[in-house]
Amino acid sequence: DAGVIQSPRHEVTEMGQEVTLRCKPISGHDYLFWYRQTMMQGLELLVYFNNKAVMDDSGMPKDRFSAKMPNASFSTLKIQPSEPRDSAVYFCASSLDPQPQHFGDGTRLSIL
Amino acid sequence: QKEVEQNSGPLSVPEGAIASLNCTYSDRGSQSFFWYRQYSGKSPELIMFIYSNGDKEDGRFTAQLNKASQYVSLLIRDSQPSDSATYLCAVSTDKLIFGTGTRLQVFP
Repeated sequence: DAGVIQSPRHEVTEMGQEVTLRCKPISGHDYLFWYRQTMMQGLELLVYFNNKAVMDDSGMPKDRFSAKMPNASFSTLKIQPSEPRDSAVYFCASSLDPQPQHFGDGTRLSIL
Repeated sequence: QKEVEQNSGPLSVPEGAIASLNCTYSDRGSQSFFWYRQYSGKSPELIMFIYSNGDKEDGRFTAQLNKASQYVSLLIRDSQPSDSATYLCAVSTDKLIFGTGTRLQVFP
């Protein structure tokens, strides 16, 4: 079975540019989560969806981040404008119930 | 106070020994508890979950939960060098909150 698929795997861009991260959840999973992981903060939940609707985005800086799930098999996380402090590994995870979650391989983002 | 606390380590144990990883949490309403393993440069991988007080065993892994003390632990018996990784404790109420992880090193 295909797991959670994220793209790109690596992204390097300059400060101020728009960044778009993509995620395809496991087929049939109703929940989709976006996390950010840094050495200092660990794994932080940014936003999660249930049946394509945003359930909680309290962890997401809303001035520059936006998340969408236009259909059950695709989600995006956009950062505009990007800043060096956004450099991190971004994980997408999906699940049938809220738990347990299955993680994608992550996108390693570097903002110069 | 962080919601989920773990000792960052590293915890170093010899091959064949028991590794004991500990986690405390602050929300008494927490219902579900998970242990994820994360190898360097990889994504977190679920290895154990526990919902009720007591012990739950799966192969070499045992998860222990004490809700009164707000404490959850993971024991790894017969530790192998391949167990060397960061172990993330995660606690769920309405959403999953992760600790920052404990790095385990198993040396031959």
